[in-house]
Amino acid sequence: QTVLTQPPSVSGAPGQRVTIPCTGSRSNIGAGYDVHWYQHIPGAAPKLIIYINKNRASGVPDRFSGSKSGASASLAISGLQAEDEAYYYCQSFDRSLSGFMIFGGGTKLTVL
Amino acid sequence: QVQLVESGGGVVQPGTSLRVSCATSGFIFSHYAMHWVRQAPGKGLEWVAEIIYDGSETTYAESVKGRFIVSRDNSKNTLDLEMNSLRPEDTALYYCAKGRDGFSIDYWGQGTLVTVSS
Repeated sequence: QTVLTQPPSVSGAPGQRVTIPCTGSRSNIGAGYDVHWYQHIPGAAPKLIIYINKNRASGVPDRFSGSKSGASASLAISGLQAEDEAYYYCQSFDRSLSGFMIFGGGTKLTVL
Repeated sequence: QVQLVESGGGVVQPGTSLRVSCATSGFIFSHYAMHWVRQAPGKGLEWVAEIIYDGSETTYAESVKGRFIVSRDNSKNTLDLEMNSLRPEDTALYYCAKGRDGFSIDYWGQGTLVTVSS
């Protein structure tokens, strides 16, 4: 069960800007829990790129930015490069589940 | 640099058990919570379990609660996941991950593949 909703895919040409939305609810993002973003290239370890909504992880270029508003968040990537092609996952916390961390379903970014 | 190396994956039959492990280095292991996250074939990431820095508290996803046990050895900088009563739907790549704070992850391993099939 995915409680954070992401589009399955987005695409953009090199140099363009794309955004990946992450929609939650009042029990997770809307309850004030922070959102974090991970980049995953199949075959490699996932990589933290944005933490606490808008902070870039070490070594992440400033082409990547995050934002949060209400029960939603988004990841923006400007100046698209071929190396950005990957899956992107948002992650938060949900107080309605006896579990802990929740992930979005993931978005495949294709650089045309 | 932080390194997380999983091991122990394999092919097992439904209803059996398997233990996967994670060897860590490059950080003060005993200071951080650790997680297991899995990815079933063709699916997204699913959080499985968390153990806090000293091992005194654990939390599990509903899908594995009562079947999986997470543990750690702070003297050896290792993390384990004991998986019992395995089901075909437990088939996945299992990632060991380091907690950044109480709510996110900052480093991941490459994963170890567990296949549950008769």
